[in-house]
Amino acid sequence: SQTIHQWPATLVQPVGSPLSLECTVEGTSNPNLYWYRQAAGRGLQLLFYSVGIGQISSEVPQNLSASRPQDRQFILSSKKLLLSDSGFYLCASPLGQGPNTEAFFGQGTRLTVV
Amino acid sequence: KNQVEQSPQSLIILEGKNCTLQCNYTVSPFSNLRWYKQDTGRGPVSLTIMTFSENTKSNGRYTATLDADTKQSSLHITASQLSDSASYICVVSRSGAGSYQLTFGKGTKLSVIP
Repeated sequence: SQTIHQWPATLVQPVGSPLSLECTVEGTSNPNLYWYRQAAGRGLQLLFYSVGIGQISSEVPQNLSASRPQDRQFILSSKKLLLSDSGFYLCASPLGQGPNTEAFFGQGTRLTVV
Repeated sequence: KNQVEQSPQSLIILEGKNCTLQCNYTVSPFSNLRWYKQDTGRGPVSLTIMTFSENTKSNGRYTATLDADTKQSSLHITASQLSDSASYICVVSRSGAGSYQLTFGKGTKLSVIP
């Protein structure tokens, strides 16, 4: 079965500090991977999208970056965090093909920038 | 532009009552539509999936409908329970170029009160 792992589950970081969130996928190869952010009381906002190793598309300009160093690894990073980077970060992947495409999510990382 | 709009943004109902959540989309070409339930601080979990040819699908007290002509979907919750309190997210999959794109609604936050 396919699963998505995210860590850490929660993170408190000071403003100006670096960030690295990791997402790994099991049970599939060459998945499309997504990073979403969900701010308090808001819907899911697509941040980055990757169709393969080294291929990253950014949906919104921001203080964050993403990398895909391996087929099943997707990393979200920042060199200097801002207060506005606080939120709930979700890694997701559409798994399967055709009419039964399933969108699987990791359990998320709650980031609080202080 | 591919979009998914959900209404209402938030809803408060009494325990035991029924409710209906709405989802309108402009995603094309359409692959499937899913309703997800997201508990606070957790990743979304799939409730139902609807393909182009399906009009209604039930999962326990949850019943989803799809009108592919008008590009509308609804999620009906019967005899609500306190545990139904969550955000409900409509997600539409788009097919194209060999990969499946996901478009997320912003969700409806449902609060069931005793």
